[in-house]
Amino acid sequence: NAGVTQTPKFRVLKTGQSMTLLCAQDMNHEYMYWYRQDPGMGLRLIHYSVGEGTTAKGEVPDGYNVSRLKKQNFLLGLESAAPSQTSVYFCASSRTFEQYFGPGTRLTVT
Amino acid sequence: GIQVEQSPPDLILQEGANSTLRCNFSDSVNNLQWFHQNPWGQLINLFYIPSGTKQNGRLSATTVATERYSLLYISSSQTTDSGVYFCAVLRGSAGNMLTFGGGTRLMVKP
Repeated sequence: NAGVTQTPKFRVLKTGQSMTLLCAQDMNHEYMYWYRQDPGMGLRLIHYSVGEGTTAKGEVPDGYNVSRLKKQNFLLGLESAAPSQTSVYFCASSRTFEQYFGPGTRLTVT
Repeated sequence: GIQVEQSPPDLILQEGANSTLRCNFSDSVNNLQWFHQNPWGQLINLFYIPSGTKQNGRLSATTVATERYSLLYISSSQTTDSGVYFCAVLRGSAGNMLTFGGGTRLMVKP
């Protein structure tokens, strides 16, 4: 099993550009999450999904949109990137309570 | 929301030494996980331990849910143990966010 994978691993954007981060899991988990990690801090939840076709806001949702059209995929979109969105983005999935994390995407917005 | 505090914030050990990391949380939880973030940024699941004691090789963890704390023990430390150790808790139902502590930054010197 690959577990949780994320695409891309690195990305540099200019202010105002848009992009989509892809998360995929092969563990048949119902729940999926997007977190961001800023330097020297723990992770904070952006959005999450409790099943295919559902999404909900987390702690820091502003400036992001998500979609879960297939159970195994969870997409995170930035419509108009801002320098404040420079961060490392982690995707996670879970069957119940224990969450498993992907390798992260390092995003820089200039 | 729930508060999670980790101590110490920084720790320097000589290879072979033992250490104890502490995680205090402010309310009852349904999930508590310990993670190791290695120098390359990967988040590695160490323990899922909402209560009780678990051991995995040189690492063990104990959570005393009634007193709202968890301890991570590292014995015979190695340089590969270096990185940041995070405690994260979840209050509520599955599919909710993990709340992360600030982490303990560990450096093991050869």
